[in-house]
Amino acid sequence: DVQMTQSPSYLAASPGESVSISCKASKSINTYLAWYQEKPGKTNKLLIYSGSTLQSGTPSRFSGSGSGTDFTLTIRSLEPEDFAVYYCQQHNEYPLTFGSGTKLEIK
Amino acid sequence: EVQLVESGGGLVQPGRSMKLSCAASGFTFNNYDMAWVCQAPKKGLEWVATISYDGSSTYYRDSVKGRFTISRDNAKSTLYLQMDSLRSEDTATYYCARRLRRVFDYWGQGVMVTVSS
Repeated sequence: DVQMTQSPSYLAASPGESVSISCKASKSINTYLAWYQEKPGKTNKLLIYSGSTLQSGTPSRFSGSGSGTDFTLTIRSLEPEDFAVYYCQQHNEYPLTFGSGTKLEIK
Repeated sequence: EVQLVESGGGLVQPGRSMKLSCAASGFTFNNYDMAWVCQAPKKGLEWVATISYDGSSTYYRDSVKGRFTISRDNAKSTLYLQMDSLRSEDTATYYCARRLRRVFDYWGQGVMVTVSS
């Protein structure tokens, strides 16, 4: 199975700042990497797939980059609604696997 | 509006069975592959199983093969997960999700399954 390692597991930032979250795969997954947002009381939201393709409705302040084994989710100019847990997921091969999550909190 | 609503969870003894349901609305159910994803307490997300739009193909993670069965009733726009021979490590919140290119573009709120004596 492809192991997905996310870092950091916890991140504190202030509104208006920019942050980056890393996701590393145990082997090449080409560009098949997705990012999700988890918020209390809401259903999980797909933000980005295929490494950098924004899902319909995802604000442009979110961007994804990377290929092979190293990927990054960047959020520019944080809004209050962005404080959440973020997960990466490889969609290159079965079994589909997720990272352990990054909790983004308000500083 | 796409909605996925899971039901059927609860407390079950090890070795027993449980069947989860997911009622879908707001989209043409029989046009989409569907999946179950779970999350054990204080753990990350884990893909469980996927079923094709017409039910002809199914895929499972190794740890549930032979114990779990994913199925669907397109006439009722409902997805199911039959879980047999349950183990304590199956304790998790189970999410129904709509599949798009091997990712999941809509999720349900989840239903908790606790396997304990």
